[in-house]
Amino acid sequence: EPEVTQTPSHQVTQMGQEVILRCVPISNHLYFYWYRQILGQKVEFLVSFYNNEISEKSEIFDDQFSVERPDGSNFTLKIRSTKLEDSAMYFCASSEEEISNQPQHFGDGTRLSIL
Amino acid sequence: SQKIEQNSEALNIQEGKTATLTCNYTNYSPAYLQWYRQDPGRGPVFLLLIRENEKEKRKERLKVTFDTTLKQSLFHITASQPADSATYLCALYNQGGKLIFGQGTELSVKP
Repeated sequence: EPEVTQTPSHQVTQMGQEVILRCVPISNHLYFYWYRQILGQKVEFLVSFYNNEISEKSEIFDDQFSVERPDGSNFTLKIRSTKLEDSAMYFCASSEEEISNQPQHFGDGTRLSIL
Repeated sequence: SQKIEQNSEALNIQEGKTATLTCNYTNYSPAYLQWYRQDPGRGPVFLLLIRENEKEKRKERLKVTFDTTLKQSLFHITASQPADSATYLCALYNQGGKLIFGQGTELSVKP
């Protein structure tokens, strides 16, 4: 069964540094998402992306965050200047369509640790 | 604002019994509700989706109910097995593809 893959599985970065998290969504999917989960807390929506544009973003997704689909397969999340509170698991997801009756398929996440 | 609440306490049951997990929501009228499973260190995995006009949905040993009057969904696992031990998340869809998740209920099935 096709799956969403994320790299790296664990990223350790100094506060203030830039970090790029990478995802390869399922190949025939057109809608892409990033979520984060701080340890012990809920999975929280960050951003959705379709047709090379952001469809929706949350309050968490401020100017320090950006997303990009640099080629036909990768989908990236960049955090420009990391803060301690950015430490979390970051999950990428994809779906065939952006409608409510479509499941989202998640990767196994990148654990981001900010020192 | 929209809120989703799940049993915060872990649910411990004996193998073979039925596990029942609850999801309540407020300030929202979703057309669909989804259930996911999450294992430690892994991403959520989609299990079932139920529409507002469906009272019940089944898939193998899983059953989901959806009561839009009570604003509640129940998730049942019958004949539970130790392999069913995981955290179960309910989620509501919002505009732009945004899923709003509950905090999850941890299920532990003892042999």
